[in-house]
Amino acid sequence: GQQVMQIPQYQHVQEGEDFTTYCNSSTTLSNIQWYKQRPGGHPVFLIQLVKSGEVKKQKRLTFQFGEAKKNSSLHITATQTTDVGTYFCAGRQGGSEKLVFGKGTKLTVNP
Amino acid sequence: SAVISQKPSRDICQRGTSLTIQCQVDSQVTMMFWYRQQPGQSLTLIATANQGSEATYESGFVIDKFPISRPNLTFSTLTVSNMSPEDSSIYLCSVEGPTGSVETQYFGPGTRLLVL
Repeated sequence: GQQVMQIPQYQHVQEGEDFTTYCNSSTTLSNIQWYKQRPGGHPVFLIQLVKSGEVKKQKRLTFQFGEAKKNSSLHITATQTTDVGTYFCAGRQGGSEKLVFGKGTKLTVNP
Repeated sequence: SAVISQKPSRDICQRGTSLTIQCQVDSQVTMMFWYRQQPGQSLTLIATANQGSEATYESGFVIDKFPISRPNLTFSTLTVSNMSPEDSSIYLCSVEGPTGSVETQYFGPGTRLLVL
């Protein structure tokens, strides 16, 4: 079945450092979504990427979708303590209704 | 956006018992989903709750263990039957809805279940 791998599982950074999480699928994805889950909270939608090679920015967050539509990354510039949480990618295989989540990357930021 | 509430928010149960979790959405939605998230883990889809027909279960999940009801377009229940400590987890209800022009998933606050 469709799998979505995400690395690293954990990342601890000093405030102000950059952070990147990577997502890789075994199959081509029709789109990929990113979610953030704060400690004790529930996942909240951040963004969706659809096009091959697409890059989208939200303030300090940069999202990329690979040319082959099998991988994606989320990069945070100059992390802040408010960035703490677990970031999940979630992909949908072409024609499938099901959204498959990666295992998530848990980010902690040392002030 | 969709606002989702779940009841109970948490519970501690004895093994062998059953718990029914309720999910209420503030608008009519076609697709409702039930996920399980074990501590520090990712989200695993249990089933899709279909209105007017049986739920569609993912591999590894069966109706006898996780019966689901979907009586209308704003409500669903998930029952965790004959519980064991391995069922201790967070159970999340989710719906699909638009964020602008994008179909995204909205999650309820979750039900934290501990089975002793």
